[in-house]
Amino acid sequence: ETGVTQSPTHLIKTRGQQVTLRCSSQSGHNTVSWYQQALGQGPQFIFQYYREEENGRGNFPPRFSGLQFPNYSSELNVNALELDDSALYLCASSLEPHSNQPQHFGDGTRLSIL
Amino acid sequence: QQPVQSPQAVILREGEDAVINCSSSKALYSVHWYRQKHGEAPVFLMILLKGGEQKGHEKISASFNEKKQQSSLYLTASQLSYSGTYFCGTVNRDDKIIFGKGTRLHILP
Repeated sequence: ETGVTQSPTHLIKTRGQQVTLRCSSQSGHNTVSWYQQALGQGPQFIFQYYREEENGRGNFPPRFSGLQFPNYSSELNVNALELDDSALYLCASSLEPHSNQPQHFGDGTRLSIL
Repeated sequence: QQPVQSPQAVILREGEDAVINCSSSKALYSVHWYRQKHGEAPVFLMILLKGGEQKGHEKISASFNEKKQQSSLYLTASQLSYSGTYFCGTVNRDDKIIFGKGTRLHILP
């Protein structure tokens, strides 16, 4: 059973640039959720994708957008990067979109904005 | 509304017990618990559902008091491998998981 994989591991960008982060879900999982984790904080929900459609969104501006592909892998895109976007971005997959499903997290992408 | 975890941090000696609390100001449908070691992904521990009983396995268990909108995680006879940051994630009517700020647990030999 292949777990959740994310790429890249680390990324350094400057303010105003755009970034794309990638996530492959665990085999058999059709739902992907993205979280932002600032240093010393818990993961904060960005959005969830289920069957290639956005299925819920947290308090993040529209410059945070995503995609899910037919194989259930997913991308997180962030435009017009700001210094506060520096964080660990976690992807989690689950069997179903419902909140009573365990989240299986990847190791994350650490994004640094200069 | 982010759940509140207490304590923020705790240091134990191997073999001692710990309790981590999680409380919400909103009615809860379920509570998740995860452990994250430094530089690693959060790892699922358990989910407690509304109307469900206390869950757990071996030396890690948890309870969920729906009336008080609280959950507690119990670590019995702690081992060095239990070190890490524990997060509760609460779910209310909007069906999304909201994580607390975490409780840092450090086990000394």
